[in-house]
Amino acid sequence: AQSVTQPDIHITVSEGASLELRCNYSYGATPYLFWYVQSPGQGLQLLLKYFSGDTLVQGIKGFEAEFKRSQSSFNLRKPSVHWSDAAEYFCARLPSNTGKLIFGQGTTLQVKP
Amino acid sequence: EAEVAQSPRYKITEKSQAVAFWCDPISGHATLYWYRQILGQGPELLVQFQDESVVDDSQLPKDRFSAERLKGVDSTLKIQPAELGDSAMYLCASNQQGAEETQYFGPGTRLLVL
Repeated sequence: AQSVTQPDIHITVSEGASLELRCNYSYGATPYLFWYVQSPGQGLQLLLKYFSGDTLVQGIKGFEAEFKRSQSSFNLRKPSVHWSDAAEYFCARLPSNTGKLIFGQGTTLQVKP
Repeated sequence: EAEVAQSPRYKITEKSQAVAFWCDPISGHATLYWYRQILGQGPELLVQFQDESVVDDSQLPKDRFSAERLKGVDSTLKIQPAELGDSAMYLCASNQQGAEETQYFGPGTRLLVL
């Protein structure tokens, strides 16, 4: 079955440090991939998405992600983290011909002052 | 900027009671989704509508859950009777025609069943 794995449940970084959140997907042809962010008690906001083309995708809030087919990965990066980035981050894939997003378990980001 | 609206934002109920959640998608969005998010996990699709028709309800526990979108606009998700294990965040999302279109999520309804 198609799945999404986020190996890191919780990550803590210092404000101003760089960030990389890992995401791996399994099975399927070129997937449609997404990163969403969820602040406590809130819904999900789309950060960026990859459907095809350039494998380095730019998103909102200074985030970017790189699709690597050879590693089945779609890692999210930010060069300098701000305290307001503390939230939960979800990687998701969209199987072809369905609207059903399949989410990873999420990574909680804590930012130290 | 248009948003997906959901109400109530929070609901506390006792087990065996009935609860209902409401969602109003972004205007013009033909496709509407209900997801359930258990604490510490990613959301999982419960039901997908295309206009007023159900496209996918394979993960909807039909013995107690029901969903409708009578006029193809807003939608209601109902649980009757609620069980302790139904405590979760219920998220509604919508997008325009086409599965590849970005899904926009509402703020969710946090349900606590006592």
